[in-house]
Amino acid sequence: GQQLNQSPQSMFIQEGEDVSMNCTSSSIFNTWLWYKQDPGEGPVLLIALYKAGELTSNGRLTAQFGITRKDSFLNISASIPSDVGIYFCAGQLVGGSNYKLTFGKGTLLTVNP
Amino acid sequence: NAGVTQTPKFQVLKTGQSMTLQCAQDMNHEYMSWYRQDPGMGLRLIHYSVGAGITDQGEVPNGYNVSRSTTEDFPLRLLSAAPSQTSVYFCASSNPGTSVTDTQYFGPGTRLTVL
Repeated sequence: GQQLNQSPQSMFIQEGEDVSMNCTSSSIFNTWLWYKQDPGEGPVLLIALYKAGELTSNGRLTAQFGITRKDSFLNISASIPSDVGIYFCAGQLVGGSNYKLTFGKGTLLTVNP
Repeated sequence: NAGVTQTPKFQVLKTGQSMTLQCAQDMNHEYMSWYRQDPGMGLRLIHYSVGAGITDQGEVPNGYNVSRSTTEDFPLRLLSAAPSQTSVYFCASSNPGTSVTDTQYFGPGTRLTVL
């Protein structure tokens, strides 16, 4: 099935550093989503992107929908310990619907205080 | 407003046993989906429903059955559990549309181990 290539797989950073992660696909998506999953919990939506080129912020988080519609990135500025978790990108294919998302394999973020 | 709830939170089964994972949502969402999460694999879609009485297969449907008799509930049934079904299962719900409020909301998950 369709897969999203998410990188990096894991990151170990110091508190205060900025973080960047991205997702790429061979297919075109009409929606890109970024979720965060805390241990023992379900994914929680961070940012949703609906237009190519769109740049959206949510506090210290910024995400962009790539111009080619085949990629997206998420930046976290000035990381804090509570940023620890797994970050997933998810996409909705053209002609698809929001009940049928394709997920990346996740980026595990560890923040050292 | 509880959102999406799942029960049980943990379950251990023996190979061949059957069970039902429960999912309920109180947001009046039309769409509901079941995903499984395995280490290093992200989330993969098992089954989904676009409304009461309507279900369809996702990417990895084998070994699972679903039904949607009400808008609120979407149970996932394992008819004969296998070790390969050891995973964390997430239920999600959403409404049709292309705004932030229409995106999928996830439950807390059910952690299933099949021995």
